[in-house]
Amino acid sequence: GAVVSQHPSRVICKSGTSVKIECRSLDFQATTMFWYRQFPKQSLMLMATSNEGSKATYEQGVEKDKFLINHASLTLSTLTVTSAHPEDSSFYICSVALGPVDTQYFGPGTRLTVL
Amino acid sequence: AQSVTQLGSHVSVSEGALVLLRCNYSSSVPPYLFWYVQYPNQGLQLLLKYTSAATLVKGINGFEAEFKKSETSFHLTKPSAHMSDAAEYFCAVSEGRNTGKLIFGQGTTLQVKP
Repeated sequence: GAVVSQHPSRVICKSGTSVKIECRSLDFQATTMFWYRQFPKQSLMLMATSNEGSKATYEQGVEKDKFLINHASLTLSTLTVTSAHPEDSSFYICSVALGPVDTQYFGPGTRLTVL
Repeated sequence: AQSVTQLGSHVSVSEGALVLLRCNYSSSVPPYLFWYVQYPNQGLQLLLKYTSAATLVKGINGFEAEFKKSETSFHLTKPSAHMSDAAEYFCAVSEGRNTGKLIFGQGTTLQVKP
């Protein structure tokens, strides 16, 4: 399977600040990247799908102005949580795929804690 | 809309015993089905996937799953549990054959007792 990295692995920030999370596909060019969030002891919920060079498609209920996604290259996507609040604290996981319907390979996740 | 139900949020087995993790999906059209494993504070690792070829799918680490259309099930099994199998397991279904969107089940925590 593909090797996917996320940076940082953990981040703690103050309420009202913005945090950027990077997702990198290390061994293949990922046309499509997905962003998920996972609350403790719960399943993954898809937040958005991004295709390289296009605007991300957000799932219902996910604020696109709060969770900014940039997929500028075939190996890098970033998720920026703007004006973070404690309720944004979660485990954020990205996945990459060769194309929209191909097998997804997941990153190790980023644990965000907003104080 | 697709949905996935994993019966049993927590399963405990003895080392060497059979592992059976249950997954049922709701779909009138055979979807793509997946099992992923998640170790603490890590991302998900693909165990196996069903994409309409053989109904019995073999995955990594000795796991396999059988697609049963009549039961809309895709249960995960392993003949003999190992301590290293202790983890969270997620069943997932693709929302459709033309989309990569995955719908995940609630997850099952597998505990392996010595």
